[in-house]
Amino acid sequence: AQTVTQSQPEMSVQEAETVTLSCTYDTSESDYYLFWYKQPPSRQMILVIRQEAYKQQNATENRFSVNFQKAAKSFSLKISDSQLGDAAMYFCAYRSAYRDDKIIFGKGTRLHILP
Amino acid sequence: SQTIHQWPATLVQPVGSPLSLECTVEGTSNPNLYWYRQAAGRGLQLLFYSVGIGQISSEVPQNLSASRPQDRQFILSSKKLLLSDSGFYLCAWSVHPDNNEQFFGPGTRLTVL
Repeated sequence: AQTVTQSQPEMSVQEAETVTLSCTYDTSESDYYLFWYKQPPSRQMILVIRQEAYKQQNATENRFSVNFQKAAKSFSLKISDSQLGDAAMYFCAYRSAYRDDKIIFGKGTRLHILP
Repeated sequence: SQTIHQWPATLVQPVGSPLSLECTVEGTSNPNLYWYRQAAGRGLQLLFYSVGIGQISSEVPQNLSASRPQDRQFILSSKKLLLSDSGFYLCAWSVHPDNNEQFFGPGTRLTVL
């Protein structure tokens, strides 16, 4: 069974600085999708970024980018120029390309932005 | 555009009382539907998912149940609530069969006293 591990329960970063959130996963599949979701204090879950495993190029969305290391099964999220609005829980997630049922989430990392 | 609704937004129930949380999706057809629970300070726990009307898969044995009476309606129920059922319940949908991304509802905060 696939698993997703986020080893940092909490992190803090100074406003305008850069922070990297870690995520590792375990799978025997060769094709899959990886996601980072953000859950702000409102509790609404929002997709931040998505990566297809067959793509070697790292996904980017404005200030958000990932470092996808397929061999190492690592999928970290980098937030550049951190803003107060980035404060949230961040969840890493995995979805198989072969099974049409569910997405597996990590336990989350709570990110604090220090003014 | 697609939207997802959950109600109620908050609920306080005594131990032993029944529960019914409702989730509906608009603007799409034949979605995959999911129920998650998020306990305080913890991650998301997948409770149930459904790939079609009447098709329910349970991830965690518990005193909760789910039903999908209509294509875009997903209901989470319990006959007798436990204290441990307190938490934040999120409904989500994804496009079938793509399932590339899940879209989440606003959630229901349940407190069992």
